[in-house]
Amino acid sequence: GNSVTQMEGPVTLSEEAFLTINCTYTATGYPSLFWYVQYPGEGLQLLLKATKADDKGSNKGFEATYRKETTSFHLEKGSVQVSDSAVYFCALRTDGNKLVFGAGTILRVKS
Amino acid sequence: DAGVIQSPRHEVTEMGQEVTLRCKPISGHDYLFWYRQTMMRGLELLIYFNNNVPIDDSGMPEDRFSAKMPNASFSTLKIQPSEPRDSAVYFCASSRRQGRTGELFFGEGSRLTVL
Repeated sequence: GNSVTQMEGPVTLSEEAFLTINCTYTATGYPSLFWYVQYPGEGLQLLLKATKADDKGSNKGFEATYRKETTSFHLEKGSVQVSDSAVYFCALRTDGNKLVFGAGTILRVKS
Repeated sequence: DAGVIQSPRHEVTEMGQEVTLRCKPISGHDYLFWYRQTMMRGLELLIYFNNNVPIDDSGMPEDRFSAKMPNASFSTLKIQPSEPRDSAVYFCASSRRQGRTGELFFGEGSRLTVL
């Protein structure tokens, strides 16, 4: 079956540090890959997505590249801010229309 | 445009009581999803609808849970009778008819506490 594995948190960084959150997936078929972010007390919102191999999704300084050879979709940001503190979810969706989420990674950024 | 609207935002009830959670999807979206979020189990898909028809309810935990979508603009998730282990945040999400590339839009969630 389809599944997503992401690094355990919490990840604690100082402001302006480099961020990497690892995500790998297992899927039948050819999935699209997503990163969603959940700020405290809110619902999930799409951060970025990639729909085919070697695509790079980017938004708000975050980037992730769809790597089919390593079945990965790692999230990166060059310089994090306190306002980036949130829970980040890696997810995949296949033609079956289910969106399958990873467990989520808590990011805490200190000033 | 209005996003996905859920109500109530918070619900505290006693064990054995009936709970009804409500969702209004974004207009024009053909798919509606109900998710449950807990610390222990993360985000779990409970059920999803396409054009108001339930497609997959394999995630519904047991017969105490039921979901309906009487029309394109309204869905309910009902728990009867409720138990303390049902305490969680329940999210509704909707998406357009875009298959695997489509983005899900989430509501702000309904936080349920069963005492």
